[in-house]
Amino acid sequence: DTAVSQTPKYLVTQMGNDKSIKCEQNLGHDTMYWYKQDSKKFLKIMFSYNNKELIINETVPNRFSPKSPDKAHLNLHINSLELGDSAVYFCASSQEYLNTGELFFGEGSRLTVL
Amino acid sequence: GQQVMQIPQYQHVQEGEDFTTYCNSSTTLSNIQWYKQRPGGHPVFLIQLVKSGEVKKQKRLTFQFGEAKKNSSLHITATQTTDVGTYFCSTSGTYKYIFGTGTRLKVLA
Repeated sequence: DTAVSQTPKYLVTQMGNDKSIKCEQNLGHDTMYWYKQDSKKFLKIMFSYNNKELIINETVPNRFSPKSPDKAHLNLHINSLELGDSAVYFCASSQEYLNTGELFFGEGSRLTVL
Repeated sequence: GQQVMQIPQYQHVQEGEDFTTYCNSSTTLSNIQWYKQRPGGHPVFLIQLVKSGEVKKQKRLTFQFGEAKKNSSLHITATQTTDVGTYFCSTSGTYKYIFGTGTRLKVLA
């Protein structure tokens, strides 16, 4: 039973299109995140949510709109895709009050914009 | 914003050799975590250090947190081909984990 699951695993699309990535965690965690990993492997935080509320938005263009319908789900919608959006997008979750420092990552969604 | 730099960016070693990656910050860190990402995989948590000068071991892996809490290292003794991957340090604040630039390790059999 996968702890943090993302779909789809791969997306290939044209510039200007809109796409969504879904994420679900079954760990009972309160906090969820979206990270972007570029071709150089840099992992950059995009958003964090706690109990469905947006906490962190790291100056991400407003073409990116996260949505958390409940604390187990955090979806990412991207409008008007650009070439520079090509990357692997990772969803993650954690339980902040435990202070273990452990983030649980999904398997990633590789987005290719042509 | 806070930045955490790692060196080296890449490292190729012969199987059986040791490997070390270093993580440096210009500011004092309240904690440091280490993650491993296998090729094509996702980052997986290895450990967290929180105390000044702390040293922790996991089999062939040794993790250190500097006395000033501005740097950390991960040392692997006698690397194996299963150690291949990218190693990241990170530091966490409230609802935010900042990752280092990563060190890609290749192990030649």
